[in-house]
Order: sequence, then C-alpha cells, then structure tokens
Amino acid sequence: DVKVTQSSRYLVKRTGEKVFLECVQDMDHENMFWYRQDPGLGLRLIYFSYDVKMKEKGDIPEGYSVSREKKERFSLILESASTNQTSMYLCASSFFDREYQPQHFGDGTRLSIL
Amino acid sequence: AQSVTQLDSHVSVSEGTPVLLRCNYSSSYSPSLFWYVQHPNKGLQLLLKYTSAATLVKGINGFEAEFKKSETSFHLTKPSAHMSDAAEYFCVVSDRRGGYQKVTFGIGTKLQVIP
Repeated sequence: DVKVTQSSRYLVKRTGEKVFLECVQDMDHENMFWYRQDPGLGLRLIYFSYDVKMKEKGDIPEGYSVSREKKERFSLILESASTNQTSMYLCASSFFDREYQPQHFGDGTRLSIL
Repeated sequence: AQSVTQLDSHVSVSEGTPVLLRCNYSSSYSPSLFWYVQHPNKGLQLLLKYTSAATLVKGINGFEAEFKKSETSFHLTKPSAHMSDAAEYFCVVSDRRGGYQKVTFGIGTKLQVIP
C-alpha cells in the first residue's frame, strides 16, 4: 500500500513565524503536491513538483514556498505565517508518466495561525 | 478548460436506500475521472477511477459510477447506503497538458446517512 505521511496532524503557530510542513511518500512517485482545503472551496493546489529540485506553482502559491531535495520528501514553507493561512493542508503523490493513475493522499495537517 | 461541478453540496439519505452523487465535468482532452471519499479529519481515499476503458466503473465499498461522454457526467451511485458511508465525496478530473498532470477537484458533496 502507498503511504503518504505528513509530519504533524495538528499545528498551532503565531503570526509572522516561519512554518514548515513535511510530507514523505514511500512509493517512489515522481509527482508530489501540496493542497489546502477550506470549507466551500474544495481543494486548491498550492505547489507541485515532478522531480527532485523541480517545482511548479499551482493556483494559490502566494505566501508559500516549497522544497524538494529528495524524491520521497516534499516540504511546504509558510515564509511569514498569517491568519488567513489557517487551513487544512493535504499532501499527495502520484507517478509522473501515468496521468491515469490517481493521487495518493496523506491524512492532512490542520494548521492554526494565531 | 478543465472544470468539475458537483451539483449538490449536501445529500441526505436513509440507511438502506440508494445513493446518487452527481458530477459534471469539462475537459479539452481525453480525461481520467475519479471519485474520492474523505472521512472527518482524514485524507482523501480513492473510491474508483475511469480511464477510458469500461464506462461503468466499480469501486470499493459497493460504489460505482458511469461515464457518459454525451452528458459530460460521472455520477456516483450505491444501491444501499450504510451508516459508514457518511463522509464527504469529491469528483476529480485529470488530464495531461504541457507535460504535466493537471488535476481539478470538485468542491465536494457531504453525504448524511439517517438511521
């Protein structure tokens, strides 16, 4: 079974802090994704990566950055956290050359910015 | 352009009665379509997928969906609802453009199952 592990289930941070969310997958997937999920808005793509050290902006990249130094790990960084970044963050992974393959998701990190 | 419309934000059914969750999509390419389920405080779990083979797709937990190209629909059904089906369901369209997988999620349908 594919396993996508997010380092924290719940996280509370303060405004202005730099926040790191970590995601690790164990299926040798090339693609990795970060989404945020908000009520009534569904899932919105923040960033994705299709290879080590490669990244592409999604639909809502402002205020975020990412890092992919190893194939299995994809980090989301909130450079200076703000209250409007309070949300559920979901990491996913998939194979690169098989667009018909589904994404596999972690259990999410519920982040609160105070 | 790629888009997904889930026609109902909330659906309520009685236990043992049929479930119908509606989804319409648009895509300029030959898309793949998926349904995911999300239980509270959990990630998304794949229910089923359509990838241009059989138009009637069977998934886990007794769910199935039918791809209708003429109607651009991919509705999710189950003959008999169970209490454990109460969750949020997402319809997803995926295609390939510019070398990347492009994925769009619907906004979700919350299914309530009444005992």
